[in-house]
Amino acid sequence: EIVLTQSPGTLSLSPGERATLSCRASQSVSSTYLAWYQQKPGQAPRLLIYGASSRATGIPDRFSGSGSGTDFTLTISRLEPEDFAVYYCQQHGSSRWTFGQGTKVEIK
Amino acid sequence: EVQLLESGGGLAQPGGSLRLSCAASGFSFSNNAMSWVRQAPGKGLEWVSAISGSGGSTYYADSVRGRFTISRDNSKNTLYLQMNSLRAEDTAVYYCAKVWGGGYFDYWGQGTLVTVSS
Repeated sequence: EIVLTQSPGTLSLSPGERATLSCRASQSVSSTYLAWYQQKPGQAPRLLIYGASSRATGIPDRFSGSGSGTDFTLTISRLEPEDFAVYYCQQHGSSRWTFGQGTKVEIK
Repeated sequence: EVQLLESGGGLAQPGGSLRLSCAASGFSFSNNAMSWVRQAPGKGLEWVSAISGSGGSTYYADSVRGRFTISRDNSKNTLYLQMNSLRAEDTAVYYCAKVWGGGYFDYWGQGTLVTVSS
């Protein structure tokens, strides 16, 4: 089973700052099968990025994804107040799905 | 508009059973794989199970294999999760999610809470 490890666990930033979130896989993951989600308290997750770098419908262009192999990154170029949330990476392969443990982006 | 509405959560005793349902609308249900994802209180997301559009292929996380059964009724646009031999560690909000493309979850329900406790 592929394990996804996200870092840091918590990111304390101010609105307007840049956020860089990391997702590292225990073995190589096809970029096609790597996604990122945002979850706010009391809400279901929302798909942000699929295929490692493609934005889902309606996602602002301040969100971008990159990476390949075992290292993937979600970048939020300038944090808006509504971006403070928990972010998860997720991969699919070999008839299994796994999520990272999440990175919380909190207001500093 | 895609809508996914879970139901069937509640309190169950250890060793007991529950059946969750997820009513889908706004898309071609039978042409899409579906999945269940859970989230224990204060914890992260955990994939539980998935099923192909026809229902002919099913997939399970090791933590639930042999205890949970996923199924679907395409005539009713409804997804199910039969949960048997429940354990305290199964306590979580259970989300149903539509599977799209390379295994992404593009739509989610609002979730239903399952509590396993004596």
